[in-house]
Amino acid sequence: AQTVTQSQPEMSVQEAETVTLSCTYDTSENNYYLFWYKQPPSRQMILVIRQEAYKQQNATENRFSVNFQKAAKSFSLKISDSQLGDTAMYFCAFIPGTGTASKLTFGTGTRLQVTL
Amino acid sequence: NAGVTQTPKFRILKIGQSMTLQCTQDMNHNYMYWYRQDPGMGLKLIYYSVGAGITDKGEVPNGYNVSRSTTEDFPLRLELAAPSQTSVYFCASSYGGKNAEQYFGPGTRLTVT
Repeated sequence: AQTVTQSQPEMSVQEAETVTLSCTYDTSENNYYLFWYKQPPSRQMILVIRQEAYKQQNATENRFSVNFQKAAKSFSLKISDSQLGDTAMYFCAFIPGTGTASKLTFGTGTRLQVTL
Repeated sequence: NAGVTQTPKFRILKIGQSMTLQCTQDMNHNYMYWYRQDPGMGLKLIYYSVGAGITDKGEVPNGYNVSRSTTEDFPLRLELAAPSQTSVYFCASSYGGKNAEQYFGPGTRLTVT
């Protein structure tokens, strides 16, 4: 079974600064898919960024980028130029490459607070 | 597009009661999912469906049942509610494919007392 670990329950960053959220995972599969989802106080889950394990290049979406280290099984999220609207819970999630369905396994989340 | 809608938003049940959580999507997605989120935790998969008439268990299926008679609807049934089922329930859908984004509904907060 796959597991996803987020070791930082809470983090805080000042507006306009950069913050990195950590995620490690455990799997015996060679191909898989990794995601970061954001859950603001509204509770709505929103996809932030995704990465396919067989792609070497780190994914980037505007101010959000990942540092994917396959050998270390690490998938950290970097948020640049943090904005107040980035305040949310951030969940790292994993989908194995085998099987037919896209069954997400989530970490326990990191609560990010962006301050003035 | 409304996306994924869930009803009700909130519900309080007494132990032993039953209820159905409704989920509808208007994106013509084949894949649909039910997750639960306990306080301070990530989401856990309860059941999923890869198309009308096809459902399968996720990580925590005990105490729940699902059906998928149409592409749009994926109701979750709780039989004999227990306090351990107090949680926030999220429905999601995707077009399929491992890298596909899952679109989530706003959630249903259920309390069993």
